[in-house]
Amino acid sequence: RKEVEQDPGPFNVPEGATVAFNCTYSNSASQSFFWYRQDCRKEPKLLMSVYSSGNEDGRFTAQLNRASQSVSLLIRDSKLSDSATYLCVVNRRGGYALNFGKGTSLLVTP
Amino acid sequence: GAGVSQSPSNKVTEKGKDVELRCDPISGHTALYWYRQSLGQGLEFLIYFQGNSAPDKSGLPSDRFSAERTGGSVSTLTIQRTQQEDSAVYLCASSLTDRVSYEQYFGPGTRLTVT
Repeated sequence: RKEVEQDPGPFNVPEGATVAFNCTYSNSASQSFFWYRQDCRKEPKLLMSVYSSGNEDGRFTAQLNRASQSVSLLIRDSKLSDSATYLCVVNRRGGYALNFGKGTSLLVTP
Repeated sequence: GAGVSQSPSNKVTEKGKDVELRCDPISGHTALYWYRQSLGQGLEFLIYFQGNSAPDKSGLPSDRFSAERTGGSVSTLTIQRTQQEDSAVYLCASSLTDRVSYEQYFGPGTRLTVT
């Protein structure tokens, strides 16, 4: 089983829509969770960290559910510029390096 | 300020040849990571350096892969006797310290093609 699993999509949504992504992780001892964004043929960039109590950054809301070992990302009022691949990221067992999901592709259309 | 830089940006090599990929982390960042991203795959951790500590090599796929970090700064990833399955984008990242909560900043990657 992969350490981090995501629905690859693609998710095609119109501008202004709300879209939600989920991922699951296999290591119950994981401590740190992130969402990274990767544009086509570019390097990944941190979108937001995910805190146990959930956190919000503008139109983006991240949630952690330790019981189900899942992480979610909600994007409200989607913009064309949100089109990208969203990577769910969890720290590796016992270490500082990261395990990445394969990513969920989002396409926001006019 | 300057971000993480990697060279070369693209490398085409013949099967069986050795290649060296270079990473210059952000100045002052003590932690350095190598990942690779194969077509249709997620990022795969390869190796991690923190200061003068022994590197975490647990992600290296075979003994053909090795990496060094000289003077706590520049790192070189070496792949010996390259195989076609080594074709991927090799990404380097650095972070301020090795605390996992610190953001990892990625370089633009080296696209390796083994023919």
